[in-house]
Amino acid sequence: GAVVSQHPSRVICKSGTSVKIECRSLDFQATTMFWYRQFPKQSLMLMATSNEGSKATYEQGVEKDKFLINHASLTLSTLTVTSAHPEDSSFYICSARRQGLFTEAFFGQGTRLTVV
Amino acid sequence: SQKIEQNSEALNIQEGKTATLTCNYTNYSPAYLQWYRQDPGRGPVFLLLIRENEKEKRKERLKVTFDTTLKQSLFHITASQPADSATYLCALLNNAGNMLTFGGGTRLMVKP
Repeated sequence: GAVVSQHPSRVICKSGTSVKIECRSLDFQATTMFWYRQFPKQSLMLMATSNEGSKATYEQGVEKDKFLINHASLTLSTLTVTSAHPEDSSFYICSARRQGLFTEAFFGQGTRLTVV
Repeated sequence: SQKIEQNSEALNIQEGKTATLTCNYTNYSPAYLQWYRQDPGRGPVFLLLIRENEKEKRKERLKVTFDTTLKQSLFHITASQPADSATYLCALLNNAGNMLTFGGGTRLMVKP
């Protein structure tokens, strides 16, 4: 089956620094990838839709200058949390779907970000 | 506004029993509904998809129903096992078929 790989799985960084999270689709091309954020015991909240070769589409309330998304190839999207603060600590998950409508989503393993 | 509601309280059942989880939605007319499993610290894993014209879908010990009149889906796990303990999420696709929205998930605990 399709696999989406996310790296790193855990990262601890200091306040004010930036962290880059990678999301790769390993056996299919993904023109669109999705980035979610999840707080403990809460649901997945869509942050942005990453579009290959064009700008990402951000959900309302998500700062595009803080959460930089780059989708430079059909198999790689990156999320960079810039100038991280403790309130950015969360679980970040990416997903991708095969081309075609109504297909299931494949998720990465998630990245636990802790900002100290 | 559109809402997807799942019971936020954990469901505790005894091993061997059938677990039933509920997903209710409002202000949606989804053509498809999906169920995912999420283990702690992991990304969700796809389980089943059911179309609006399908009343029921089965996969091994899993059964999903979809009632578009009640705007509800039920997710059943028969002969439950401790390994089934996880959070189960329902998700709806928008009518364009390109965006998933998730419910809050229900945590299932199966006790031996």
